[in-house]
Amino acid sequence: NAGVTQTPKFRVLKTGQSMTLLCAQDMNHEYMYWYRQDPGMGLRLIHYSVGEGTTAKGEVPDGYNVSRLKKQNFLLGLESAAPSQTSVYFCASIDSRDAVTQHFGDGTRLSIL
Amino acid sequence: GQNIDQPTEMTATEGAIVQINCTYQTSGFNGLFWYQQHAGEAPTFLSYNVLDGLEEKGRFSSFLSRSKGYSYLLLKELQMKDSASYLCAVPSGNTPLVFGKGTRLSVIA
Repeated sequence: NAGVTQTPKFRVLKTGQSMTLLCAQDMNHEYMYWYRQDPGMGLRLIHYSVGEGTTAKGEVPDGYNVSRLKKQNFLLGLESAAPSQTSVYFCASIDSRDAVTQHFGDGTRLSIL
Repeated sequence: GQNIDQPTEMTATEGAIVQINCTYQTSGFNGLFWYQQHAGEAPTFLSYNVLDGLEEKGRFSSFLSRSKGYSYLLLKELQMKDSASYLCAVPSGNTPLVFGKGTRLSVIA
């Protein structure tokens, strides 16, 4: 049981490049979330999903897109990376029956040059 | 909207007790969470309070007062491994969970 797995763990991009971060969970959770964490800013919600095929905007959605084609996967896309998107990205999932305990992945450290 | 405030940094001595405060303003209340996050790691769930009062879990306790928009996390018998950031978070409106900026706790010998 791997829990929540994020790939890649590290990545360096050039401004304007695109990439997709993958979050996979094997706990059959309905809800999945993407956060970014910057120094002194805490965790901020980018997008979230309450089930397969559904997504919604969080606090800081601009510059990102997401997809939830399969229940176990939640993808975060950067179409044209900007230095302001340099951050640590965390994915989390939660069981809708529990609705309390968020399970976090280990994070993706992304640098945009 | 909501606003969550917690101290930026705290320092405490090994073996002592420390209280980390969190004040919040939210439209509608659906509970308050505390998470622990060690440097370079993911947050881990500590507690969830939805009713007023104190909930104890071993060395960690969490208190909530809904009327005052106030919570605290109490850590007893501090250990060096308790050095971490402690995040207060509340669900708010359409946002499933809004986090405070976190309190970085340093435990010293």
